[in-house]
Amino acid sequence: DIVLTQAPLSVSVTPGESASISCRSSKSLLSSKGITSLYWYLQKPGKSPQLLIYRMSNLASGVPDRFSGSGSETDFTLKISKVETEDVGVYYCAQFLEYPRTFGGGTKLELK
Amino acid sequence: EVKLLESGGGLVQPGGSLRLSCAASGFTFTDFYMSWIRQPPGKAPEWLGVIRNKANGYTTEYNPSVKGRFTISRDNTQNILYLQMNTLRAEDTAIYYCARFTTGYWYFDFWGPGTMVTVSS
Repeated sequence: DIVLTQAPLSVSVTPGESASISCRSSKSLLSSKGITSLYWYLQKPGKSPQLLIYRMSNLASGVPDRFSGSGSETDFTLKISKVETEDVGVYYCAQFLEYPRTFGGGTKLELK
Repeated sequence: EVKLLESGGGLVQPGGSLRLSCAASGFTFTDFYMSWIRQPPGKAPEWLGVIRNKANGYTTEYNPSVKGRFTISRDNTQNILYLQMNTLRAEDTAIYYCARFTTGYWYFDFWGPGTMVTVSS
């Protein structure tokens, strides 16, 4: 299985400041079609996960452009600029390159 | 509007069985892959398996962690996704979500609100 390791486990941010979350894959997520199959989801308290970023760096529909994704074949970063109160929750990276699909362990974002 | 609504969760004894349902609406059900994903309390989501769309023969894939115990099926006339769970263990306790997988961009784009399954004596 592809293992995704996220860091940090939690991050505390002052509203208006930036936050970065790391996700490292045990295997390259670059497909033979040149697509990097890494995704970011946010799970707000008591809700189902919602897609933020697809294919490493593409913003999902309706997601504010304060969110951005970047990375290489195995190392990825989600950046949130100017954090707002609505950004609180747990962030997960996920890979959909291979079966079984796998998720990272999550990073909890809290406000100071 | 796309809607997914799971049902069938509850308390079950170890070794028991349970069948979950996911009612889908607002889209052409047969066009989409459908998955079950679970999330133990306070932990990360775990993908359980997928049943492909009509174009791909409704074939299935499973996570090895549940293969042989869990079975995914679909009723394409009633737009319902099922998860049959057998020989349940305490570690199967989780919220169970159904999720739609779009083969256009290759991700889960809609999730249901989930149904809680508790395995305990």
